[in-house]
Amino acid sequence: EVQLVESGGTLIQPGGSLRLSCAASGFTVSRNYFGWVRQAPGKGLEWLSIIYLDDSTYYADSVQGRFTISRDTSKNTLYLDMNSLTADDTAIYYCARATFEYLFDFWGQGTLVTVSS
Amino acid sequence: QPVLTQSSSASASLGSSVKLTCTLNSGYSTYIIAWHQVQPGKAPRFLMKLADSGRYTRGSGVPDRFSGSSSGADRYLTISNLQSDDEADYYCETWDTHSQWVFGGGTKLTVL
Repeated sequence: EVQLVESGGTLIQPGGSLRLSCAASGFTVSRNYFGWVRQAPGKGLEWLSIIYLDDSTYYADSVQGRFTISRDTSKNTLYLDMNSLTADDTAIYYCARATFEYLFDFWGQGTLVTVSS
Repeated sequence: QPVLTQSSSASASLGSSVKLTCTLNSGYSTYIIAWHQVQPGKAPRFLMKLADSGRYTRGSGVPDRFSGSSSGADRYLTISNLQSDDEADYYCETWDTHSQWVFGGGTKLTVL
């Protein structure tokens, strides 16, 4: 079965750091583009980051310098390391596979990150 | 950078059809887009990719009640024979050559 399963979301204090994971099955993370997208409460989808086959990475301005996308091919898992978290980072975080036409075509169910004191 | 504009809400009756619009800004009218369905507590669902020609390809398992079309900078998602389970937020998405992805603001569809 093809699946993306995110984990790692939790309640965290402002200024803290967190790592989100996205375990893939039915996909090989090293052979696909993968990205992270979030949805804050009552807001729309916001693209955050992408990782390409050659390990090049790109970020939205809102997270550039604070978030890092990476992957572990031995675990077939994607990661998002998040630093200097603020209340504005409170959201459901989704990982998603992007096609070679640069469109997302498969999503995980999401993991909730709440930044609050 | 491309910008995608969507109406914030739409409504239609059970069993009827509805056409949602996503409009690309000037200079980006040839871009391919994707349509996604987002429902609370569920993984977002890729519905289709849609080209400026109007050619579209549905995602795996997406019923043929969902169709796409294009006119100039407008990209449309038509849902026929509306079901209660179609009540959701619908987002369009595209990408630019600077490796930045963009989503429209989403349309909240209410099935009456």
